[in-house]
Amino acid sequence: DADVTQTPRNRITKTGKRIMLECSQTKGHDRMYWYRQDPGLGLRLIYYSFDVKDINKGEISDGYSVSRQAQAKFSLSLESAIPNQTALYFCATSDFAETQYFGPGTRLLVL
Amino acid sequence: ILNVEQSPQSLHVQEGDSTNFTCSFPSSNFYALHWYRWETAKSPEALFVMTLNGDEKKKGRISATLNTKEGYSYLYIKGSQPEDSATYLCAFDDQTGANNLFFGTGTRLTVIP
Repeated sequence: DADVTQTPRNRITKTGKRIMLECSQTKGHDRMYWYRQDPGLGLRLIYYSFDVKDINKGEISDGYSVSRQAQAKFSLSLESAIPNQTALYFCATSDFAETQYFGPGTRLLVL
Repeated sequence: ILNVEQSPQSLHVQEGDSTNFTCSFPSSNFYALHWYRWETAKSPEALFVMTLNGDEKKKGRISATLNTKEGYSYLYIKGSQPEDSATYLCAFDDQTGANNLFFGTGTRLTVIP
């Protein structure tokens, strides 16, 4: 079983809809991250969390919110999806300031 | 926003050739430089985390060097194989302690059999 899982793997939604992307990890890491990847750009950080009570905005948090339900779960929500949020979304985890381990990604299309 | 640049954007090499590519990053506030290998439809996979100037790391046929004073790292692949085809990402980790990685756009390597 994969250490970092994301659901769904693919999602098509319409402008204005609220959607949630979920991430779970079995690595026992405290730190979790959400990134988005757009063609021609590097991975960009949306939000990160150091533990259940600690949530921080990343480089591009506008239009997104997150919830850290447990050490192992970190969800990303798009409150009102818009077409320029079409992207590949990755969740990652790390143990203190070490290597980040990535999930398989969620490909989101907003029509 | 930090500027992390990778070159070339893409390259094609013949099986058996050796190749290398570059990651440039800010030389100030350096904490670590990460290299990842990302195959299509899979998760980015960590290759190396490098922290010290002059660091040299090796994993099989892949190796990397680090120059923090001038702000660059090289990734080398010796005797490329088709299974090395992937996008190679580097990421800069600054000294904020937040472990926020600033990624380059990657070098897409295609190894032709």
